[in-house]
Amino acid sequence: TQLLEQSPQFLSIQEGENLTVYCNSSSVFSSLQWYRQEPGEGPVLLVTVVTGGEVKKLKRLTFQFGDARKDSSLHITAAQPGDTGLYLCAGAVGAQKLVFGQGTRLTINP
Amino acid sequence: EPEVTQTPSHQVTQMGQEVILRCVPISNHLYFYWYRQILGQKVEFLVSFYNNEISEKSEIFDDQFSVERPDGSNFTLKIRSTKLEDSAMYFCASSAVGEQPQHFGDGTRLSIL
Repeated sequence: TQLLEQSPQFLSIQEGENLTVYCNSSSVFSSLQWYRQEPGEGPVLLVTVVTGGEVKKLKRLTFQFGDARKDSSLHITAAQPGDTGLYLCAGAVGAQKLVFGQGTRLTINP
Repeated sequence: EPEVTQTPSHQVTQMGQEVILRCVPISNHLYFYWYRQILGQKVEFLVSFYNNEISEKSEIFDDQFSVERPDGSNFTLKIRSTKLEDSAMYFCASSAVGEQPQHFGDGTRLSIL
């Protein structure tokens, strides 16, 4: 059974600070996806990382896939109140399914 | 931008009743999925569907559950005899090909009384 441990579960920081969210597993995934989920809505895809060691940037967000494709991180630079939300990592197991982490609820205080 | 649409947004059903949740995946997608999220818990995989048959299903997806693609656009999840513990958000997702990112609908909140 594949498991993804996401940390921290809750993070509250001041506007302008940097932060990193981690996703770790003992399993290898074919790809890893990061989603953001707003209350009452479905997960919205932010990025997919596929290759071990891959780094992708989306404005102030930097996503990294571990060399062994077992872990990933999301780094936000100069966080803004608009970054507040629930961030989910999800590892792809072949073409069949996604295994989700517990989520990180991020609060950016003005 | 194309999106996955789900109806209804909220379904309230008496325990023991049948319920059908509906999804319209993105039109050129070939892989379809159902997930559920019990309040306060992780999103959990239920079933994947490709080429008009189930590709994989989880332990949650027992004989009370079934999926169907009745026409070229809809993808449905049926729960035959609902239980209190079936109360959750149910998300439909689709992807263009199997290893491509999955795109999610906004979910159906199922409440079993």
